[in-house]
Amino acid sequence: RKEVEQDPGPFNVPEGATVAFNCTYSNSASQSFFWYRQDCRKEPKLLMSVYSSGNEDGRFTAQLNRASQYISLLIRDSKLSDSATYLCGAGANNLFFGTGTRLTVIP
Amino acid sequence: GAVVSQHPSRVICKSGTSVKIECRSLDFQATTMFWYRQFPKKSLMLMATSNEGSKATYEQGVEKDKFLINHASLTLSTLTVTSAHPEDSSFYICSALPAAGAYEQYFGPGTRLTVT
Repeated sequence: RKEVEQDPGPFNVPEGATVAFNCTYSNSASQSFFWYRQDCRKEPKLLMSVYSSGNEDGRFTAQLNRASQYISLLIRDSKLSDSATYLCGAGANNLFFGTGTRLTVIP
Repeated sequence: GAVVSQHPSRVICKSGTSVKIECRSLDFQATTMFWYRQFPKKSLMLMATSNEGSKATYEQGVEKDKFLINHASLTLSTLTVTSAHPEDSSFYICSALPAAGAYEQYFGPGTRLTVT
C-alpha cells in the first residue's frame, strides 16, 4: 500500500471555478502535512502547511482529517496560473508524497 | 529565505561513468537533506535521508553502493550516481529542512540526468 495516495486527475476546470483535491495517507503516526505545487519539469514548491485546525491562505484552504487520514486542498476562484500539479506530502520524520493531481484551468 | 540550489541542473553522461550532484542550502544550515528521484509523470520517490556528519539512511530498494551520499557540512550534501546506466536517467531533486524541529522541506531546482 502506498504511503500517500492522490487522484492523479487530470482536473480540467473553467476559470473562476472552485476545485478540491483529496489525499489519503496510510501512516497514522504522520505528524506533518503539506501541499506542494509542481510546474512541469520544475521542482515542487511549498504551497501551504496543513494544520489540524485547518488553514486558509487567500483562495487556498487546506484541511486535515486525522480520523479518516486524509488532507484536502480547496482552490476558490481558479486562475489560469493555478494550472500545475499539486502534490500532497505526509509523514513523521520523512515526508512521502502522492503522485500529484494535475489541474488545468481553462479560459 | 530557505533557498536550496542544485548543481548541475542538467547532465548527460555515458553508461558506466559516475555523476556527482550537489545540493546546497544557501541561506540556512540544514542538518537533514533528502534525495528524491522522479520519473516522468510519476511521484517523487524518496531515495535517502542525508544527515550531516553521519551515514545516510536509504529507503528500501535503493542501492547504497550505487547512490553514494555525503553530507560533509551543514550546507552541502552530494549524491554520486556510480556506474550509471540508462535506467538511472531521471530527475533527481534534493530538499532540506531549514531548522531543527522544522517539518517543511524546501526543494532544490532538480538535476535532470540522462545516461546514454
